[in-house]
Amino acid sequence: DAKTTQPNSMESNEEEPVHLPCNHSTISGTDYIHWYRQLPSQGPEYVIHGLTSNVNNRMASLAIAEDRKSSTLILHRATLRDAAVYYCTPNTGNQFYFGTGTSLTVIP
Amino acid sequence: EAGVAQSPRYKIIEKRQSVAFWCNPISGHATLYWYQQILGQGPKLLIQFQNNGVVDDSQLPKDRFSAERLKGVDSTLKIQPAKLEDSAVYLCASSFSLAGNNEQFFGPGTRLTVL
Repeated sequence: DAKTTQPNSMESNEEEPVHLPCNHSTISGTDYIHWYRQLPSQGPEYVIHGLTSNVNNRMASLAIAEDRKSSTLILHRATLRDAAVYYCTPNTGNQFYFGTGTSLTVIP
Repeated sequence: EAGVAQSPRYKIIEKRQSVAFWCNPISGHATLYWYQQILGQGPKLLIQFQNNGVVDDSQLPKDRFSAERLKGVDSTLKIQPAKLEDSAVYLCASSFSLAGNNEQFFGPGTRLTVL
């Protein structure tokens, strides 16, 4: 299994950028790195994914370290609706492995 | 585009009873996943289907859990008999294919309470 390490919790002020780190030192060279988030009482929601290059979409940016042992999810301007648990989940062997994630609190 | 549908949303049963959950994935999605999410933890994969075949069920407690996807579309997950530790949210997800760059789409989940 590809193990991940994320901070249990983080806080951010509203409208400020947030950098959510993840260590995934055991992934293989072909494992995509996915990020999902889960709001209370909802199923996880896809945020972004990448392999080697940094990626941007309308929700966030993903910065992947050159050695691929870590990545950082970047929310450019946190809003109250971004308060959720964020999971870094490598796709290993065509399966996703979820750790306990980072609980993000956004302070108004 | 309709999302992943699950029913029921909530279920309360006594231990040793049976329960079944239903999932309808997004149309055209070949891969279907069932996850168990215990409070405070991330989702844990129970079983993964590709069309109507099982790709992986290594973490499914087969003495009490079973799942099927007979026509490669809808799927059911059954627990028989239930134990207290089965109290959790059961999530169904689907993706277009097994390829690692395919995103998963999750349903709202079924919250099971075993008394």
